[in-house]
Amino acid sequence: GAVVSQHPSRVICKSGTSVKIECRSLDFQATTMFWYRQFPKQSLMLMATSNEGSKATYEQGVEKDKFLINHASLTLSTLTVTSAHPEDSSFYICSARLDRENEQYFGPGTRLTVT
Amino acid sequence: AQKVTQAQTEISVVEKEDVTLDCVYETRDTTYYLFWYKQPPSGELVFLIRRNSFDEQNEISGRYSWNFQKSTSSFNFTITASQVVDSAVYFCALSELFNDYKLSFGAGTTVTVRA
Repeated sequence: GAVVSQHPSRVICKSGTSVKIECRSLDFQATTMFWYRQFPKQSLMLMATSNEGSKATYEQGVEKDKFLINHASLTLSTLTVTSAHPEDSSFYICSARLDRENEQYFGPGTRLTVT
Repeated sequence: AQKVTQAQTEISVVEKEDVTLDCVYETRDTTYYLFWYKQPPSGELVFLIRRNSFDEQNEISGRYSWNFQKSTSSFNFTITASQVVDSAVYFCALSELFNDYKLSFGAGTTVTVRA
């Protein structure tokens, strides 16, 4: 149990376009989901906390207007990278937290390349 | 300030050697959790262990063992009789009650096991 999926697994887009990444908890409900970014050979950095039915909470230094997060249901959170630029190329990983536990389950990640 | 320090950037061993990964954490909270994750080349994070701050018992799971010492704020991880499949990046992470249990990751240690 506790499986999290992400779609797409890889995406290449042109500079200036927007890209949407989906994160789904497949067999459990998650009031809270998290979005991380990982640059090559670096650690995971928390970007934002996605809360079902309310606004996301962004970490310091993360532009909320550039990284739009929508948590419309208890099993789906989306991250939209707006007006993407090459420096946004990264590995984006989501996680979903089981409400009754302090445990995060991670998705397989989405590799974004902006050309 | 870095909450989780993994001083070893890279470790290279020959198969069957033991390898110990260091993790030192910093927190003022009395209620917190420590984690270890494995990230193979595919990128997907694999959960290895979670330990709460009130449980200092060491743990062994197959070839993996963990040594939690609150006195030195360390949570070290040992792989016994390493195998090539153990080659990956290993992350130590901390989640704290006062920080809503968000995960703070260490920089990671890249382990390469040579045949």
